[in-house]
Formats: sequence, structure tokens, C-alpha cells
Amino acid sequence: AQSVAQPEDQVNVAEGNPLTVKCTYSVSGNPYLFWYVQYPNRGLQFLLKYITGDNLVKGSYGFEAEFNKSQTSFHLKKPSALVSDSALYFCAVRAYGGATNKLIFGTGTLLAVQP
Amino acid sequence: SAVISQKPSRDICQRGTSLTIQCQVDSQVTMMFWYRQQPGQSLTLIATANQGSEATYESGFVIDKFPISRPNLTFSTLTVSNMSPEDSSIYLCSVEEGAVVETQYFGPGTRLLVL
Repeated sequence: AQSVAQPEDQVNVAEGNPLTVKCTYSVSGNPYLFWYVQYPNRGLQFLLKYITGDNLVKGSYGFEAEFNKSQTSFHLKKPSALVSDSALYFCAVRAYGGATNKLIFGTGTLLAVQP
Repeated sequence: SAVISQKPSRDICQRGTSLTIQCQVDSQVTMMFWYRQQPGQSLTLIATANQGSEATYESGFVIDKFPISRPNLTFSTLTVSNMSPEDSSIYLCSVEEGAVVETQYFGPGTRLLVL
């Protein structure tokens, strides 16, 4: 069965420092991996996705994510955090070639960037 | 990406009543999805709605409780029936876009509180 794990409920980082939000996955077949961000009282916004090819994927707002097949991970990164990056981040997976377009979401990681 | 709107944005309802949530997209899409996000939790898929066919419900969700309509390619409704406080959640609709690998884009959500 497909699953996604976000091991950290919360990540705290100082503004200007690099940030990493962790995600590991379990899926049969090749994965499609996604990151979404949810700001307070807002819906989910798509940040980036991995399909195939380069393991480093660049997305919106300066975020990037690194796909690591051997570690089954897809960590979200940003070189320099902003206070405005503070939000709830969700990792999601969909199996390639599956009969369903269903996304499986992780439990979310709250990113808090201190000024 | 498609622009998705939901109505109402929030509501407070009495137990035993029903609420219909509307989802409008500014372009024609084949598949629409309805998710539930319970307080402090991740997103769970309720059902997939294709135009012209019955919605497909996920395990744990039934049509009598969450009837869905999909009258055309730009609109869908989700009804939360006979509500109880446990139905207090954010309800989000999403659509898929993309030529090779579809990405799901989400509406702003409907925040429901059942007293």
C-alpha cells in the first residue's frame, strides 16, 4: 500500500538559514511525488513535483526538493528561509501507472521561521 | 493552473442538518475530487467525481452521507448530510491538470463547524 511519512510535526528555523522538511514514501512502482503548502485559513497550494529525470526539482517561491530513490525520500529544501514561509507543508505521493489518480498525503509539517 | 472557488467559505451548522458545498472551476476538467481535512490532521480523499457518472467513494465514505453531484465539466457539489460535530472539518475540492502527469490543484476550502 502507498504511504507517506513526514517524521517531524514541526520544524523551527531562523530567518536566513537553510530549511529542510523531510518526507519519505512507500509505493509499488515508480512514484510521482508532490509538495503542497497550506497557509493559515487558505487552501493547499502546489509547490513542486517529481516525475522522472533530474533528482533535484525546483518549484515555486524558491523551494526545491531532492528525490532519493535508495532512501525513498523527497525532502523539501530552501537555501534561505523567510518569515513568510511559515506554513503547513504536505508531502504527497501517487503511484505511476496506477488505476487511480488518488493522492496519499503525509500528516504535514508545520514550518515556523523566526525573525 | 485552473482557478477554483468554493462556496460557502465557512459555515456554522446545527447537528442533524445538511450543508451543500459548491465547487466552481474556470475551465473544463474531467476529474474533480473532494477531500476532508479534520482539525489538525492531513487530507483524506472522500470521493472522485467524473462528469456524467456516479462518484467513486473511498473506504469509509458513503453516498448517503456525502452525496455528490457533477452536472457539468466546471461544477460539482458535495453535501454533508445529517451532520454531527464529528463532521467539523475543512472540505476541499480539487481538479487535475497536466498533459503528462496530472497535478491536483485545490480550492480554498470550506470550513465547517457543527454544533
